[in-house]
Amino acid sequence: TQLLEQSPQFLSIQEGENLTVYCNSSSVFSSLQWYRQEPGEGPVLLVTVVTGGEVKKLKRLTFQFGDARKDSSLHITAAQPGDTGLYLCAGFMDSNYQLIWGAGTKLIIKP
Amino acid sequence: NAGVTQTPKFRILKIGQSMTLQCAQDMNHNYMYWYRQDPGMGLKLIYYSVGAGITDKGEVPNGYNVSRSTTEDFPLRLELAAPSQTSVYFCASSYSGHNEQFFGPGTRLTVL
Repeated sequence: TQLLEQSPQFLSIQEGENLTVYCNSSSVFSSLQWYRQEPGEGPVLLVTVVTGGEVKKLKRLTFQFGDARKDSSLHITAAQPGDTGLYLCAGFMDSNYQLIWGAGTKLIIKP
Repeated sequence: NAGVTQTPKFRILKIGQSMTLQCAQDMNHNYMYWYRQDPGMGLKLIYYSVGAGITDKGEVPNGYNVSRSTTEDFPLRLELAAPSQTSVYFCASSYSGHNEQFFGPGTRLTVL
């Protein structure tokens, strides 16, 4: 079982639509990161959220950390084909240096 | 800066063969990591290192070994390759334990 559950696993939508991807856990994380991975490449960091309730915006992407620091969401407004990729959430627990990874959401934006 | 580099990019091994996956970073990062990524399973930590001469096991270390003789290099050794080790392997580095991790381009390994 995954400590961090991502949903949906796969999402295919038309350009211009909005979408939300979720990252949930029953455990508390000291911080949570979102990465995007394109085919044949390693993940690249998009954002880190640290404080419960924190909201960060990166152009059309909005990231939120849950008040209890157990969950996070990524909302994309007016999705574009360039947003296509695998979105991974990963969290640090206070106790160690190891990032706990979700299984990812594969996003396809059709023109 | 080249960032994190990995070689080879692709490799096919026969069962029982051994190989070393190379990883180097030029960012003077103390922390380095080896992950494997299987379809639909996310990233699993194999080994990590917090500095030269110091290594520790991650979530799935069986069948692998690492060494960290310099800050820059963190090779991953597979002894007696098995089909279960077919995966994409990523090396990553970070300045400290809770910072952004920078990833290499990956090595796609198939064991037949």
